[in-house]
Amino acid sequence: AQSVTQLGSHVSVSEGALVLLRCNYSSSVPPYLFWYVQYPNQGLQLLLKYTSAATLVKGINGFEAEFKKSETSFHLTKPSAHMSDAAEYFCAVSDLQGAQKLVFGQGTRLTINP
Amino acid sequence: SQTIHQWPATLVQPVGSPLSLECTVEGTSNPNLYWYRQAAGRGLQLLFYSVGIGQISSEVPQNLSASRPQDRQFILSSKKLLLSDSGFYLCAWSPGLNTGELFFGEGSRLTVL
Repeated sequence: AQSVTQLGSHVSVSEGALVLLRCNYSSSVPPYLFWYVQYPNQGLQLLLKYTSAATLVKGINGFEAEFKKSETSFHLTKPSAHMSDAAEYFCAVSDLQGAQKLVFGQGTRLTINP
Repeated sequence: SQTIHQWPATLVQPVGSPLSLECTVEGTSNPNLYWYRQAAGRGLQLLFYSVGIGQISSEVPQNLSASRPQDRQFILSSKKLLLSDSGFYLCAWSPGLNTGELFFGEGSRLTVL
């Protein structure tokens, strides 16, 4: 069975500072990994995805994530936080088997301080 | 382009009343369809998924049911709501072509009083 653990339910950074959101996964097969963002009372929007090609993946809004198989991690980073980055972020894993269900982490709420 | 619509966006229902949330996808055919629930502080929980008309798989035992009467329509229902059914319900679709990613609707917030 697959699972995702997001370390830190709340992360707070200053505007302009580095954003680091942590995600570790467990999968018995090579995984596909995703980061989604959710703004209040909205659906989820895909930020980026890893699909077994390049291990460093670039997404929208200046975010990127690095797949590290040895650490079973897929941490999300952004060099300089912007006020508009305040949202909830979800890491997810899929094994592409059958119905291709996504298993999500618990989410990390990112707060940006002015 | 493909779009996904959910309605209603907000719903307040008394305990014991019925529920019907609808989701439709446009611009694609034979999508995989999913219902997730997001409860406060608990992330997203997959409730149901469907790979075709009339084909429904349930992930967790609960007070809810799902149906897919048409290729691009997915309905979440309950005959009698419980307080614990409150939450934010998200419908999603995927092309089912080994891309892995899901595309989400805007969500329906259900409050059971």
